Amino acid sequence: NAGVTQTPKFQVLKTGQSMTLQCAQDMNHEYMSWYRQDPGMGLRLIHYSVGAGITDQGEVPNGYNVSRSTTEDFPLRLLSAAPSQTSVYFCASRQGLEDTQYFGPGTRLTVL
Amino acid sequence: EDQVTQSPEALRLQEGESSSLNCSYTVSGLRGLFWYRQDPGKGPEFLFTLYSAGEEKEKERLKATLTKKESFLHITAPKPEDSATYLCAVEGYGGATNKLIFGTGTLLAVQP
Repeated sequence: NAGVTQTPKFQVLKTGQSMTLQCAQDMNHEYMSWYRQDPGMGLRLIHYSVGAGITDQGEVPNGYNVSRSTTEDFPLRLLSAAPSQTSVYFCASRQGLEDTQYFGPGTRLTVL
Repeated sequence: EDQVTQSPEALRLQEGESSSLNCSYTVSGLRGLFWYRQDPGKGPEFLFTLYSAGEEKEKERLKATLTKKESFLHITAPKPEDSATYLCAVEGYGGATNKLIFGTGTLLAVQP
């Protein structure tokens, strides 16, 4: 199993550009999440999904969209990038509540 | 509101010098408390899940314990390879599903 994979590993955007961060898992997990990690802030939940076709907002959803058309994939879309979205983004998945949540390797995004 | 506070922010130990990291939490009904290890430039790596007060889990030089208000990660005779940031997270029964609240972590440096 590859586990949770994320692409790209690094990305530089200009303010106003849009892009999609890709996340995939091969463990057949129902639950998937996107977090951002900023210095001194800890990991903060952006959006999450409890199954294909079902998504909901987390703590910091503004400026981001998600969809879950398959169990395996959970892309995160930045609609119009802003410097405040400069961060490291982690995707995670788990089989169910109380189960271990596994993280991907992260995408480091810089918005100029 | 669910909250996690980790202390100290940073800890420097000599190889073989045992110590403990603290995770204090407030949550409306604890579903689970999670410990992760994070190396620079990598995603968090799962260590332990604790579900109820009095529970303890061990893995090599690490031992995690849980009370109703806090968790400790005890590190016995640490080695330089134990150097990392250790993250604590809680999941409660109240509020949104699949929502982990993370602390800001403890940066551990073990010197040979």
